Amino acid sequence: AQTVTQSQPEMSVQEAETVTLSCTYDTSESDYYLFWYKQPPSRQMILVIRQEAYKQQNATENRFSVNFQKAAKSFSLKISDSQLGDAAMYFCAYRSADQAGTALIFGKGTTLSVSS
Amino acid sequence: NAGVTQTPKFQVLKTGQSMTLQCAQDMNHNSMYWYRQDPGMGLRLIYYSASEGTTDKGEVPNGYNVSRLNKREFSLRLESAAPSQTSVYFCASSVSIYRYEQYFGPGTRLTVT
Repeated sequence: AQTVTQSQPEMSVQEAETVTLSCTYDTSESDYYLFWYKQPPSRQMILVIRQEAYKQQNATENRFSVNFQKAAKSFSLKISDSQLGDAAMYFCAYRSADQAGTALIFGKGTTLSVSS
Repeated sequence: NAGVTQTPKFQVLKTGQSMTLQCAQDMNHNSMYWYRQDPGMGLRLIYYSASEGTTDKGEVPNGYNVSRLNKREFSLRLESAAPSQTSVYFCASSVSIYRYEQYFGPGTRLTVT
């Protein structure tokens, strides 16, 4: 079974600084997708960024980028120029591309606080 | 587009009571999902519906039933609520179970006393 581990329960960053959130996963599959979701206090789950395992190039969405290391099974999220609105819980998630009907498998989350 | 909507936003039940959580999506997605989120844990899949007319169990289905009413709507029913079902419930949808993006509703906070 696949597992997702986020080893940092809490992180903090100052406005305009850069922060990296860590995520590792375990799988025997070769084809899969990885995601970062943001959950602000409103509870809404918001897709931040996704990565297809077959792509070597790291995904980027504006101030958000990932460092995908397939051999190491590592998928970290870098937030550049942090803003107060980035404060939220961030979840790393895995989804198999091979098996029909599989859900997203989530890590336990990292709470990010941003100070001015 | 409203995306994925859920009702109610909050609910308090007594042990043994029943209720149905409603979910609807207006993105013409084929697949829909119900998750629960407990403190200190990520979301866990309760049930999913790959397409209209089909439903399947996820990781934690015990104590729940679902109905895929039509393509837009997917409801979750608690027949006899238990304190262990106190949680935040999220509905999500995706183009298909083979597509990777899942879009989430705002969640329902359920407390069972």
